[in-house]
Amino acid sequence: QKEVEQDPGPLSVPEGAIVSLNCTYSNSAFQYFMWYRQYSRKGPELLMYTYSSGNKEDGRFTAQVDKSSKYISLFIRDSQPSDSATYLCAMKQGGKLIFGQGTELSVKP
Amino acid sequence: EAQVTQNPRYLITVTGKKLTVTCSQNMNHEYMSWYRQDPGLGLRQIYYSMNVEVTDKGDVPEGYKVSRKEKRNFPLILESPSPNQTSLYFCASSAGAWINNEQFFGPGTRLTVL
Repeated sequence: QKEVEQDPGPLSVPEGAIVSLNCTYSNSAFQYFMWYRQYSRKGPELLMYTYSSGNKEDGRFTAQVDKSSKYISLFIRDSQPSDSATYLCAMKQGGKLIFGQGTELSVKP
Repeated sequence: EAQVTQNPRYLITVTGKKLTVTCSQNMNHEYMSWYRQDPGLGLRQIYYSMNVEVTDKGDVPEGYKVSRKEKRNFPLILESPSPNQTSLYFCASSAGAWINNEQFFGPGTRLTVL
């Protein structure tokens, strides 16, 4: 079993939709949780990070962590075509960073 | 401009021919790391370095070597490449290993081993 599981999609939504991206994990030692966005032919870029259960909001993006269920989510409100990318969850333990498989998102105008 | 650079960007080689992929950052970052990205598997960490002369294995270190003799450089060495090392490789750096130290990724190196 992978330490971090993420539905690879692809996910296609119309512009303006609310998008929900999810990851589950098995290692209780993970302390920090991140979401990266990767555009085609580019390296990933950090979108959001959090280290506690609950919600963290940044503009149209909300990261949610439920440590008791070992489940994290990223919500995108009012999705835009420019949000079309691959979204990767990542979890940190010390110097190690474990990524999910990534979910490919396409937002259609 | 603050950046992470990788060379080469594209490489086609043959099984067993030693190669080095260079990574350099100009942000005086302490932490550097190498990842490989494969379809359906996401990004997997190969090696990381918390500082000069300090390196540690990630999830998939087999078949790779690294060295960190200077702060700015973190080369990835494949002593005897094999076809299963065909992948997209990313180098990344951050000020430290803490959560709020954002990792900056290089542009990637696409390696094909025949």
